[in-house]
Amino acid sequence: DVKVTQSSRYLVKRTGEKVFLECVQDMDHENMFWYRQDPGLGLRLIYFSYDVKMKEKGDIPEGYSVSREKKERFSLILESASTNQTSMYLCASSFGGGYGYTFGSGTRLTVV
Amino acid sequence: KNEVEQSPQNLTAQEGEFITINCSYSVGISALHWLQQHPGGGIVSLFMLSSGKKKHGRLIATINIQEKHSSLHITASHPRDSAVYICAPLNAGGTSYGKLTFGQGTILTVHP
Repeated sequence: DVKVTQSSRYLVKRTGEKVFLECVQDMDHENMFWYRQDPGLGLRLIYFSYDVKMKEKGDIPEGYSVSREKKERFSLILESASTNQTSMYLCASSFGGGYGYTFGSGTRLTVV
Repeated sequence: KNEVEQSPQNLTAQEGEFITINCSYSVGISALHWLQQHPGGGIVSLFMLSSGKKKHGRLIATINIQEKHSSLHITASHPRDSAVYICAPLNAGGTSYGKLTFGQGTILTVHP
């Protein structure tokens, strides 16, 4: 069964901490995405990557960075966590052109 | 940037009813996903379609690219269909890399 696996289901971090969210896919997908989902705001794209070491900003990249050193792994980094980054974070991957779109189960991050 | 409008925002039905969720978008797209999210759960792509109609079990999705409109139908609805349904057009263009834009979602509740 094909999968996008996110390293943590729930995470609690303190303000100012550096936070790493990891995502691994086993489908040989070219594209990987990080979204956040907030009540009333829906899903918003933070960053995406269309190839190893390639990345592009999405709609809300401020306060975040990403890393893709291997095709199967895409990491989201919160450089200095703040309370307004408390959210559900969803990783997704797809083939080029959007085929085979698959989401991870999400990481609910709380910053206190 | 695509504008995506879904209707209705909330939908309550009795088991067995026929359900329709509508999605309109304002700019050109290459395809469109219908996504399903159960409470506390991850997101699953039900359909990706670029023309015509697709059917999977009791679910039917249609799209009219020229009219910029798509619909998701559920026949013989069941309480396990209760979920949030999200329309997600796939950005057109060679550099889109499979980026999705999301509607706000339709919260469906099916009562036994």
